[in-house]
Amino acid sequence: AQTVTQSQPEMSVQEAETVTLSCTYDTSESDYYLFWYKQPPSRQMILVIRQEAYKQQNATENRFSVNFQKAAKSFSLKISDSQLGDAAMYFCAYKGPSYGGATNKLIFGTGTLLAVQP
Amino acid sequence: NAGVTQTPKFRVLKTGQSMTLLCAQDMNHEYMYWYRQDPGMGLRLIHYSVGEGTTAKGEVPDGYNVSRLKKQNFLLGLESAAPSQTSVYFCASSFTTSTEAFFGQGTRLTVV
Repeated sequence: AQTVTQSQPEMSVQEAETVTLSCTYDTSESDYYLFWYKQPPSRQMILVIRQEAYKQQNATENRFSVNFQKAAKSFSLKISDSQLGDAAMYFCAYKGPSYGGATNKLIFGTGTLLAVQP
Repeated sequence: NAGVTQTPKFRVLKTGQSMTLLCAQDMNHEYMYWYRQDPGMGLRLIHYSVGEGTTAKGEVPDGYNVSRLKKQNFLLGLESAAPSQTSVYFCASSFTTSTEAFFGQGTRLTVV
C-alpha cells in the first residue's frame, strides 16, 4: 500500500528566509503524481504545487519549488522569501497512476505546521 | 462558481444518532473523496468514488457508508455515531487522477 510520511510536525522560519519541508513516500508504481497542499487557519485546502513522476524537471510556482528525487522517493518543498501569509499546515499528497482503479486514491501525509516569524 | 460544497458546516450529534453529510460539485468531476482530519493524523481517506454508481473503501471506512447515485453528489453516512467519529470531514473532487483535487470547506462534527 502507498504511504506518505512527513517527519517534521512543526517548522519555523524567519520572514524573508528560505525553508524546506520534507516528504517521503512509498509506492511500487512508476507513474504517479505528487502534490503539496496548504491549509491556513481558515481550514481551506489550497494546492501549492504538483509534480508528475515521469517528469525529471522539478516543478516551480513562484516562490515555491520542489526537490523530487524519484529513486529516493523523496518530495521536499522549498519556500523562498517566506512571508507571513505562508504560515499554515502543509500536506504532502500522493495519487496513483491514470490506469488506476484501486490506486486512484489521493493519500496524505500527517502535515507540517509552518510558523513564520516577523 | 460554487466548486465543492459541503452541507452542513457544523453538527453536534448524540452517540447512536445517524446523519448524512452531503458533498456537491458542479465541475463535472469523475473522482470524489471523503476524508477525516484529526490532529496529528493528517487527512485520512474514508471512502472514494471513481465515477457515478461506484464507491470504494479508503483507509478508515469502518462506521461509514457512502453513495454516488448522481455524478455531482457524494454522500457520507454515519448510521450510529460514536465519539471516535468526532472530527473535521472534508470532501474533495478531481477531474482525472492527474489533476488537482478541489476541496470543500469542511464539516466539523462533534459526537457527544
